Amino acid sequence: QLQLQESGPGLVKPSETLSLTCSVSGGSISSSSDYWGWIRQPPGKGLEWIGSIHYSGSTYYNPSLKSRVTISVDTSKNQFSLKRSSVTAADTAVYFCARHRGPPHTAMGPFDYWGQGTLVTVSS
Amino acid sequence: QSALTQPRSVSGSPGQSVTISCTGTSSDVGGYNFVSWYQQHPGKAPKLMIYDVSERPSGVPDRFSGSKSANTASLTISGLQTDDEADYYCCSYAGSYTWVFGGGTKLTVL
Repeated sequence: QLQLQESGPGLVKPSETLSLTCSVSGGSISSSSDYWGWIRQPPGKGLEWIGSIHYSGSTYYNPSLKSRVTISVDTSKNQFSLKRSSVTAADTAVYFCARHRGPPHTAMGPFDYWGQGTLVTVSS
Repeated sequence: QSALTQPRSVSGSPGQSVTISCTGTSSDVGGYNFVSWYQQHPGKAPKLMIYDVSERPSGVPDRFSGSKSANTASLTISGLQTDDEADYYCCSYAGSYTWVFGGGTKLTVL
């Protein structure tokens, strides 16, 4: 059974960089059909897709967040990471990592496995 | 890329049916059959309930069904149960390996 687990600081100061890691267990992050995504949810608000990455290093970002977001993958550790620079209070949210499937060997799939989420608060 | 439009809340009594709509554009909901629905209980991660517009993952009751017409997708829950009370989110593929979520709908089971 695939499991995902987010980790990282729960408190980040304004203007600093938010850094989170998602550890994948029960399967390989290097599967050619799997894509690994970050989704966030501000308190009391809805879900927002941040971006996804393939083990090959190909990245895809939400156009509205792209300028200050970097997603990377470490296949040796079976992990992928999110960095969001110059954070503000608006970046306070629960951050989820999740898997979805996609090309080249299968059609685009939904977010079928999720981590439990981690709350990141931006405050001085 | 704008969020998909969902009603803020819907409600129903146990045993009844409710339908939640999700309206997008021809660039997302209307352009692809990759619409999914997620159930989220407070403090929990979202759970996949419907994918590819109308497909149910293993373990999801057949009380949950999905459909789509033009730029609007719908989730119908029949035979409402108290445990169905949760937030529901739609999500659509929007091309170029990007995704967009709806704003979410709070379902209250009266």
